[in-house]
Amino acid sequence: QVQLQESGPGLVKPSETLSLTCTVSGGSITTYYWSWIRQPPGKGLEWIGYMYYSGSNIYNPSLKSRVTISVATSKNQFSLRLSSVTAADTAVYYCARAGYDSQTAFDYWGQGTLVTVSS
Amino acid sequence: QSALTQPPSASGSPGQSVTISCTGTSSDVGGYNYVSWYQQHPGKAPKLMIYEVSKRPSGVPDRFSGSKSGNTASLTVSGLQAEDEADYYCSSYAGSNNPYVFGTGTKVTVL
Repeated sequence: QVQLQESGPGLVKPSETLSLTCTVSGGSITTYYWSWIRQPPGKGLEWIGYMYYSGSNIYNPSLKSRVTISVATSKNQFSLRLSSVTAADTAVYYCARAGYDSQTAFDYWGQGTLVTVSS
Repeated sequence: QSALTQPPSASGSPGQSVTISCTGTSSDVGGYNYVSWYQQHPGKAPKLMIYEVSKRPSGVPDRFSGSKSGNTASLTVSGLQAEDEADYYCSSYAGSNNPYVFGTGTKVTVL
């Protein structure tokens, strides 16, 4: 059974960089695409970006200038960095796997971690 | 890429059926057979209920079904049960440059 677990600071100051890590167990990060998705309090889901272990990443165009997703294959982890954060970046951040042959649906999710942007 | 459009709310009595629509464009819903649906209970992570328009992951009851016509996809929940009360989000593949777009979400209430 694949499991994902997000970790990182729950509070980030405005203009600083948000950093989160997703640890994957029960499956290898070298297969499938792995994404970050966020959900502001009381609002809908927003896809942030995905990575493939070989280094090919795609980001949401609306966040592309501020997002970096990296992988640590030996640790079966991938990470999110979002720079120059504002209060609008306050959200629950999820990591998720795009599974099945098409890799167009998120079949496994982490429990989510709330990140608040505030001074 | 704009969010896919869903009705804010839908409701039905236990045992009845409810259908949720998800409207996009020819660049997402209408262009690919890659629509998925997620159920989210308060404080929980989303759960995949339907993928590739109408396929159900293992363990999802067959009361949940999906379909698509043109630029609009639909999720039908038959035989509504109390535990089906949740928020539901659709998602569609939207091309290689911005592959995943979500819907605005629908709150389903079991009366």
